[in-house]
Amino acid sequence: KAGVTQTPRYLIKTRGQQVTLSCSPISGHRSVSWYQQTPGQGLQFLFEYFSETQRNKGNFPGRFSGRQFSNSRSEMNVSTLELGDSALYLCASSSLGAGDTQYFGPGTRLTVL
Amino acid sequence: AQSVTQPDIHITVSEGASLELRCNYSYGATPYLFWYVQSPGQGLQLLLKYFSGDTLVQGIKGFEAEFKRSQSSFNLRKPSVHWSDAAEYFCAVGPLGGNAGNMLTFGGGTRLMVKP
Repeated sequence: KAGVTQTPRYLIKTRGQQVTLSCSPISGHRSVSWYQQTPGQGLQFLFEYFSETQRNKGNFPGRFSGRQFSNSRSEMNVSTLELGDSALYLCASSSLGAGDTQYFGPGTRLTVL
Repeated sequence: AQSVTQPDIHITVSEGASLELRCNYSYGATPYLFWYVQSPGQGLQLLLKYFSGDTLVQGIKGFEAEFKRSQSSFNLRKPSVHWSDAAEYFCAVGPLGGNAGNMLTFGGGTRLMVKP
């Protein structure tokens, strides 16, 4: 089985712009979670989607949003980018739902200038 | 609120030496526990997980971890470290299930360096 794929792998944006990141889960997986990784804050949970519904949300401002499509692919969007949004954004997928093992993609490295 | 503490930010060991990475968690009940490894510029790879049952868990690459409920710990061990084990290691806890979903709480990570 192919693993979790994320596109693009690298992205450079300027402050005030918006960005959309994409995640394709492992085939058959219905849960997709997003995490932000920064040197200062470490790995932080953004949100989780299961069967096209947001099931959990972390403590991030409303500028961070996401969605999941019927094929389980997910996108996250960040509007009005700030310098502090520079991070590695990781997507993880799992199959059965709550508590199941999450498999991570390679991440999208976002740099905000 | 759940939390995970990895007390050691950096650890250096000699190749062939044994390794133990510490992880302590705070949670209302027995959580799901995980260890992940991250090489530079890469995503996270699952080493092992504990859900229930035997408290000594075997993982990939020769790693094992022991769940100790009384100490709220889930330490990762390897009897003989290889140079390729140099990476950052993350301990994580997850909810028990139901509507709690798949939100993982991660520790701050331990960066392992291996001396030749």
